Amino acid sequence: AQSVTQPDIHITVSEGASLELRCNYSYGATPYLFWYVQSPGQGLQLLLKYFSGDTLVQGIKGFEAEFKRSQSSFNLRKPSVHWSDAAEYFCAVGPAGGSQGNLIFGKGTKLSVKP
Amino acid sequence: EPEVTQTPSHQVTQMGQEVILRCVPISNHLYFYWYRQILGQKVEFLVSFYNNEISEKSEIFDDQFSVERPDGSNFTLKIRSTKLEDSAMYFCASRRGLAGDNEQYFGPGTRLTVT
Repeated sequence: AQSVTQPDIHITVSEGASLELRCNYSYGATPYLFWYVQSPGQGLQLLLKYFSGDTLVQGIKGFEAEFKRSQSSFNLRKPSVHWSDAAEYFCAVGPAGGSQGNLIFGKGTKLSVKP
Repeated sequence: EPEVTQTPSHQVTQMGQEVILRCVPISNHLYFYWYRQILGQKVEFLVSFYNNEISEKSEIFDDQFSVERPDGSNFTLKIRSTKLEDSAMYFCASRRGLAGDNEQYFGPGTRLTVT
């Protein structure tokens, strides 16, 4: 079955510390992978995406993610967290080249940032 | 930059009433989607729409739901007779549909509260 697992429900880091949010997927075909961020009461903003090529992708707001096919992972990282990064982060997977392209989301990881 | 818009931002309705949630996708996009997010849970796919017909739907999208693109710009989700469990944030998304591009652009969402 196709699924996305985000094993950490809630993470708290200190401002300025590094961050890694984990994402594992189960998908029958070559996936497209995405990270979205959702601030309270807001919609989903795309942070970054992986379609093909370089497995380390850069996104907005200083985020990056690395696709590791052997581990079926697409972890999100940031070297130095800012208080404004406090939000919920969703990993999603979609079909490569599929006509429908509907996304499967993980349950999300809520990030809290300590001053 | 073009964006997906949704109206209203918040809809309160009584159980059993019909509601219509409206979305204006990005103008040159070909694929349209509705997702929902029950409070505290993950984002779930409802339905995808292409070439004026439903291309895929999830188990959630039962006979109480329908979608329409009435005028070439709006994309609506109708819930015929709302239930308490329909309370959720509903997101519209659109996708350009070019080969190799599966990025979906999400609207800000409509929060539906059924009382």
